[in-house]
Amino acid sequence: GQSLEQPSEVTAVEGAIVQINCTYQTSGFYGLSWYQQHDGGAPTFLSYNALDGLEETGRFSSFLSRSDSYGYLLLQELQMKDSASYFCAVRSRNSGNTPLVFGKGTRLSVIA
Amino acid sequence: NAGVTQTPKFQVLKTGQSMTLQCAQDMNHNSMYWYRQDPGMGLRLIYYSASEGTTDKGEVPNGYNVSRLNKREFSLRLESAAPSQTSVYFCASRPLPGQSYLQGNTEAFFGQGTRLTVV
Repeated sequence: GQSLEQPSEVTAVEGAIVQINCTYQTSGFYGLSWYQQHDGGAPTFLSYNALDGLEETGRFSSFLSRSDSYGYLLLQELQMKDSASYFCAVRSRNSGNTPLVFGKGTRLSVIA
Repeated sequence: NAGVTQTPKFQVLKTGQSMTLQCAQDMNHNSMYWYRQDPGMGLRLIYYSASEGTTDKGEVPNGYNVSRLNKREFSLRLESAAPSQTSVYFCASRPLPGQSYLQGNTEAFFGQGTRLTVV
């Protein structure tokens, strides 16, 4: 089976940088994804890492270390609108019938 | 292009009642999923369908049934609702990943959710 661990809550100041960690245990591994969900909304895709290293998309970056079974999401120049829940997710096989398994989510609060 | 559409958005049921949650996607995706979301529990997979005509159980299938009616539609049925099924339900769809996991970056698209309360 798969399991993912991420902090339940993080608080950061507007304009600052915050890192949300995710450690995973899977029988196989085919990439780590990150999703954002605002209160009352649907999860939306942020980023994906298949290989070790950093992927950058604007203010958001995601990092993966497959040897450590670890990844993180880095949010820079925090804005109030970044207050949301962030989920890491994995697939254990690269086939169409392998669903995403999600972590329990990290609630990010951005304060002034 | 509407993406993933779920109906209804809100529903209150009495214990023992039945209902079907509808989900349709217009992106020609092969795979569709039903998740439930409870406070502090993240998204838990109920059932999924890799392609039309196939369905498989997820992590928490008890008390639910599904039907993949065609490529567009994937419904979730509660035959006899229980208070423990009070939750927010999300339908999602995803295209097939590529041949290598480097091409496995197929994001899941979610509907807006159904907020179900069983009293």
